[in-house]
Amino acid sequence: ETVMTQSPTSMSTSIGERVTLNCKASQSVGINVDWYQQTPGQSPKLLIYGASNRHTGVPDRFTGSGFGRDFTLTISNVEAEDLAVYYCLQYGSIPYTFGAGTKLELK
Amino acid sequence: QIQLVQSGPELKKPGESVKISCKASGYTFTDYAMHWVKQAPGKGLKWMGWINTYTGKPTYADDFKGRFVFSLEASASTANLQISNLKNEDTATYFCARGVRGTDYWGQGVMVTVSS
Repeated sequence: ETVMTQSPTSMSTSIGERVTLNCKASQSVGINVDWYQQTPGQSPKLLIYGASNRHTGVPDRFTGSGFGRDFTLTISNVEAEDLAVYYCLQYGSIPYTFGAGTKLELK
Repeated sequence: QIQLVQSGPELKKPGESVKISCKASGYTFTDYAMHWVKQAPGKGLKWMGWINTYTGKPTYADDFKGRFVFSLEASASTANLQISNLKNEDTATYFCARGVRGTDYWGQGVMVTVSS
């Protein structure tokens, strides 16, 4: 199975900063990667699909990039509502696999 | 608008069974797959598998073969997850998620607690 390794496990930021979250696949998955945001007690919400496409209604401060094995999610101008856990998902091969998540916290 | 509404929380004893539902609305049910995802308390997301809502064919991740069954009530735009012979480690929130490429819209989740 394809292992998705997210880094860092957690990161502290200030409002207004720019942060970059990483996801590395154990084998190539092409562009078959989504990014999700989960706040406590809520279901995950799709942010980015196909590595770089924003889902409907997602603010343009969220940007995804990558191909093959290395993927990034960049959040520009972090807002308080962005403090959450972020997961990547690969769907290039069965079984689909999630990364372990990156927790974005306030500094 | 697109919605996936799941059934309510469940409290079960080890060895019992549970069936949770996921009712879709706002789109043509059979046009999209339905995925199931497990989240144990305080843990990350684990993909369980998916069901083709057109053919009814399920696909299970290895860890979910045997006691887990995906089914459909297509006329009611509903997908179901049944877990038999419940174990303590099945305690988790179970999400359904509409499948397109990966997934897009998710249900609110069902908390299943297994405790004697």
